[in-house]
Amino acid sequence: RKEVEQDPGPFNVPEGATVAFNCTYSNSASQSFFWYRQDCRKEPKLLMSVYSSGNEDGRFTAQLNRASQYISLLIRDSKLSDSATYLCVVKAGTASKLTFGTGTRLQVTL
Amino acid sequence: EPEVTQTPSHQVTQMGQEVILRCVPISNHLYFYWYRQILGQKVEFLVSFYNNEISEKSEIFDDQFSVERPDGSNFTLKIRSTKLEDSAMYFCASSEAHTTNTEAFFGQGTRLTVV
Repeated sequence: RKEVEQDPGPFNVPEGATVAFNCTYSNSASQSFFWYRQDCRKEPKLLMSVYSSGNEDGRFTAQLNRASQYISLLIRDSKLSDSATYLCVVKAGTASKLTFGTGTRLQVTL
Repeated sequence: EPEVTQTPSHQVTQMGQEVILRCVPISNHLYFYWYRQILGQKVEFLVSFYNNEISEKSEIFDDQFSVERPDGSNFTLKIRSTKLEDSAMYFCASSEAHTTNTEAFFGQGTRLTVV
């Protein structure tokens, strides 16, 4: 089983749509969870950390279900500029390394 | 805004040659990392570095790889004898700490092409 698993997409959605991405992780010792965004051939950039209680940042909402080892990201009112690959990332315990999923590609169209 | 800078942005080298990829982490950060991303694949951890020594490394980081912080600012990744399969984007990252939810900031990457 992959350490971090994501649907690769692509998700093609019109502007203004709501889109949700899911991610599962295999290491039950994982303690930190993130969504990163990566534009084509660019570096990953932190979009948001994911907390057990769920958290929201503007149009973006992240949820964590530790029992199911499942993370989600919801994007409301999609913009053209949201087109990118969204990377689910976990960190186990105090270990310093980040473990990345393969990413889910989002294409927002007019 | 402080950022991680990497040089060169693109390096082409012949198989068997040594390459050194350079990074300048954010100045007050204490933890440094190298990741790589083969085209079309996921970002993979190579090594982390703290207090002038390797704190963790992956199985990818074999004897062909080494890291060094030769002065107070640079952090380098050396590949001793490059192979075709080393072709990838190499990202340097740094963070203030490695505790939970600490953000790692990534440089823009060096695209290494081995021919």
